[in-house]
Amino acid sequence: NAGVTQTPKFQVLKTGQSMTLQCAQDMNHEYMSWYRQDPGMGLRLIHYSVGAGITDQGEVPNGYNVSRSTTEDFPLRLLSAAPSQTSVYFCASSKTETVHEQYFGPGTRLTVT
Amino acid sequence: GQSLEQPSEVTAVEGAIVQINCTYQTSGFYGLSWYQQHDGGAPTFLSYNALDGLEETGRFSSFLSRSDSYGYLLLQELQMKDSASYFCAVGNFNKFYFGSGTKLNVKP
Repeated sequence: NAGVTQTPKFQVLKTGQSMTLQCAQDMNHEYMSWYRQDPGMGLRLIHYSVGAGITDQGEVPNGYNVSRSTTEDFPLRLLSAAPSQTSVYFCASSKTETVHEQYFGPGTRLTVT
Repeated sequence: GQSLEQPSEVTAVEGAIVQINCTYQTSGFYGLSWYQQHDGGAPTFLSYNALDGLEETGRFSSFLSRSDSYGYLLLQELQMKDSASYFCAVGNFNKFYFGSGTKLNVKP
C-alpha cells in the first residue's frame, strides 16, 4: 500500500492565483481530513470528510474548498491564494471506528508571494 | 472553544525517562491522542486514551485523567531517534484539535 499520497510536494503561488492540492489514500478509509501547520504550531483542521459525498468545515475553513467524489480522493482547493496561506498542508485518513488514529501524507509546502 | 497546552521544549539524556504533559479545555471530548513528528516529516500516531488510565505501547505510555482535563505521554529508555516534536490532540465528534507541540531534545 502507498498509504496517503499528496501532490505536489512544493508549490509557489502568486497572490490571487488558485490551485488544487491533491490527496489520495489506498487504505479504503472513510474519514479524510486536511490540516495546515504553521511554524512552531500544531496542526489546524481545515476541512474533513466522513465519506464520499460528505464534507464539513474544520477550525480554519475560510479560503479553502473541498469535495469528496470517491473514497480514495480528497482534493483541497485554494480559491484565491493569499500570503497568509503560506504553510505546510497535510492530508490524513483513518477508519471510522478508529478515527483518532490518523495516517498522514508527506505534506505540501506552499509559499504564496 | 478548544485549547490545549503543552511545554514548548524538553531536554533529556539517552536512556532516561521523560514525561510530556498536556492540559486541555474543550466543549466536547472523545479522547486524547499523541503524535510524533520528526523535523520535515509527517506526524505519526503514537497512542490514544478514551478512558481514564494508562495505555502502554512498548517504550511509550500515555495517561489520561478526564476529571482533571489532563494527560501525559511517557517515554522510557530514551533513544537519540526519539528527538522529535510530540503533539497531543483532542477529538470532538469528527474534529481534532492539536496542541502546539513539545520539542524533545535527547542528548548523549
